[in-house]
Amino acid sequence: GQQLNQSPQSMFIQEGEDVSMNCTSSSIFNTWLWYKQDPGEGPVLLIALYKAGELTSNGRLTAQFGITRKDSFLNISASIPSDVGIYFCAGQLIGTASKLTFGTGTRLQVTL
Amino acid sequence: GAGVSQSPSNKVTEKGKDVELRCDPISGHTALYWYRQSLGQGLEFLIYFQGNSAPDKSGLPSDRFSAERTGGSVSTLTIQRTQQEDSAVYLCASSDQRGNYGYTFGSGTRLTVV
Repeated sequence: GQQLNQSPQSMFIQEGEDVSMNCTSSSIFNTWLWYKQDPGEGPVLLIALYKAGELTSNGRLTAQFGITRKDSFLNISASIPSDVGIYFCAGQLIGTASKLTFGTGTRLQVTL
Repeated sequence: GAGVSQSPSNKVTEKGKDVELRCDPISGHTALYWYRQSLGQGLEFLIYFQGNSAPDKSGLPSDRFSAERTGGSVSTLTIQRTQQEDSAVYLCASSDQRGNYGYTFGSGTRLTVV
């Protein structure tokens, strides 16, 4: 199936640092979404992007839909301990209105 | 309900047994999705329901897997003759399907086949 390459796979950062992660694909996506998953829970939507070039913020989170429609990034500013978790990108491929393709996730750990 | 509810939250079963996993979507959400998440992996699409119909079941890994939805609400994912490779977290999500891809996920059922 289609793959979303998400990087980095994991990162350790100190509280207060900024974080950046991204997803790339060889395919064109209509929609990009970023989710966060805490242990034992389902993913929770953070940001949704619907247009190429779109830059959207949600508090300390900022995400962009790449111009080529093949990539997206997520930035977290001034990280705090509760940012710990696994972040997934997800995209909706052209012609596949029924489902999302998910990246393999970025595990974020924040140290004090 | 207020959120997507899945039951059981954990299930341990012997290889070869059948299991049923249940999903109660958010009231009024017409679209329902099942995904599978293996340890340390991303989410793998299984099946999509619009109402009681399943227009896309392309992700079901084998004919041992089936799902149904009744009354446009509750869905059941059934795995027959379970194998060890079926061990994973099975996540259900629903959406209002008005061009909104922001699914709401349940907490999942962790299935362990021993």
